Amino acid sequence: DIVMTQSPDSLVVSLGERATFNCKSSQSVFHVSDNRNYLAWYQQKPGQPPKLLIYWASTRESGVPDRFSGSGSGTDFTLTISSLQAEDVAVYYCQQYYHTPLTFGQGTKVEVK
Amino acid sequence: QVQLQQSGPGLVKPSQTLSLTCAISGDSVSSNSAAWSWIRQSPSRGLEWLARTYYRSTWYIDYAVSVKSRITISPDTSKNQFSLQLSSVTPEDTAVYYCARISHNTIPFWGQGTLVTVSS
Repeated sequence: DIVMTQSPDSLVVSLGERATFNCKSSQSVFHVSDNRNYLAWYQQKPGQPPKLLIYWASTRESGVPDRFSGSGSGTDFTLTISSLQAEDVAVYYCQQYYHTPLTFGQGTKVEVK
Repeated sequence: QVQLQQSGPGLVKPSQTLSLTCAISGDSVSSNSAAWSWIRQSPSRGLEWLARTYYRSTWYIDYAVSVKSRITISPDTSKNQFSLQLSSVTPEDTAVYYCARISHNTIPFWGQGTLVTVSS
């Protein structure tokens, strides 16, 4: 199985400031046949299921604010919130879909300072 | 818009079988462009993908190795739903269980989640 490791486990950021968190896969999730990284990011708020934010490592899902951006390739990926809003307080997960079983990182919890 | 409505008991006794159902609206369980999955979440195991089924002229099913000997996912075309059965449960199977629609192996649609507690 591909192991996904996120860092840090938690992050405290002031409103309006940038939040950056990382995800590392135990093997590359870059598919040479279509030149894509099989990596997604989700946001989960308490009592709710995860919400898909980004797929193909950097493509925003419809309706996701443009303050959310994804980057990276191969085994190292980053999710950035350019200006943290109060409604962004949540846990963020990365997920690889290069291989079955689909696997998730352990999550990064974002709180407001 | 796809909606997934889960149903099933929230309490299961040890050694018994956990059974959940996911009713689909806005799509078909027989869709040629989607897959249907069960995923669970617990503090100890995080988000854990368990199973998927999909139709591409015939039915395909995949299971996570960790539960393969105990799990069954079943599509029901007559009711446009799919179900999960997990046998011989232990307290380690206590989790929030989600059904989900998978597109290109990402998960844009989730059920509301069902907390299943395994306890006598």
